Amino acid sequence: QVQLVESGGGVVQPGTSLRLSCVASGFSFSSYGMHWVRQAPGRGLEWVAFMKYDGSDKFFADSVKGRFTISRDISKNTLFLQMNSLRVEDTAVYYCARVRDNHSPLRFWGQGTLVSVSS
Amino acid sequence: DIVMTQSPLSLPVTPGESASISCRSSQSLLHSNGYNYLDWYVQKPGQSPQLLIYLGSSRASGVPDRFNGSGSGTDFTLEINRVEAEDVAVYYCMQALQTPPWTFGQGTKVEIK
Repeated sequence: QVQLVESGGGVVQPGTSLRLSCVASGFSFSSYGMHWVRQAPGRGLEWVAFMKYDGSDKFFADSVKGRFTISRDISKNTLFLQMNSLRVEDTAVYYCARVRDNHSPLRFWGQGTLVSVSS
Repeated sequence: DIVMTQSPLSLPVTPGESASISCRSSQSLLHSNGYNYLDWYVQKPGQSPQLLIYLGSSRASGVPDRFNGSGSGTDFTLEINRVEAEDVAVYYCMQALQTPPWTFGQGTKVEIK
């Protein structure tokens, strides 16, 4: 069955970097687009980044543009979110989610990984 | 960017009764193909979000028929019939027509009276 498992979260200081991973299993990883969505403590859902199934398109929320990058290693069925210049307001649980294309629903989600940015 | 607005933000419901959540978009979500690119997600306490309804009115796999999505264009509704204790959760709408960005509503917290 489809599984998405995030990792890499932790407590970091403002201005530092962190790389999140999302290991996918149970489906052909290279055939699906992937999102990162985050949720600050006690807040709602916020879309962060998207990578098209073939890696040709990558999009970012304005709040993270220029600081975050999205990439993948198909050989390891792993999606990454490289987060640089972290800010206190980046504190959130980060979820990866699978989609078929830009307009598809986020049908499968991981369990999330918590990133806490604090001095 | 398309702004999604949900109401109410908090909804106390008596078990067995119905609950209705509104989601309005700042622009039409109706594609020329006839589909509305509006999805509903549910997030139960301590869990990840899960897909509930897609394309405005299609139930995701395993979703009970007590959950119904309706609407078109800019006005959408999620109705929960015969609310059960297990329906306590936060419900979000999300638009997937004009992307990026993908935008969510603020969330509606359904609780039992």
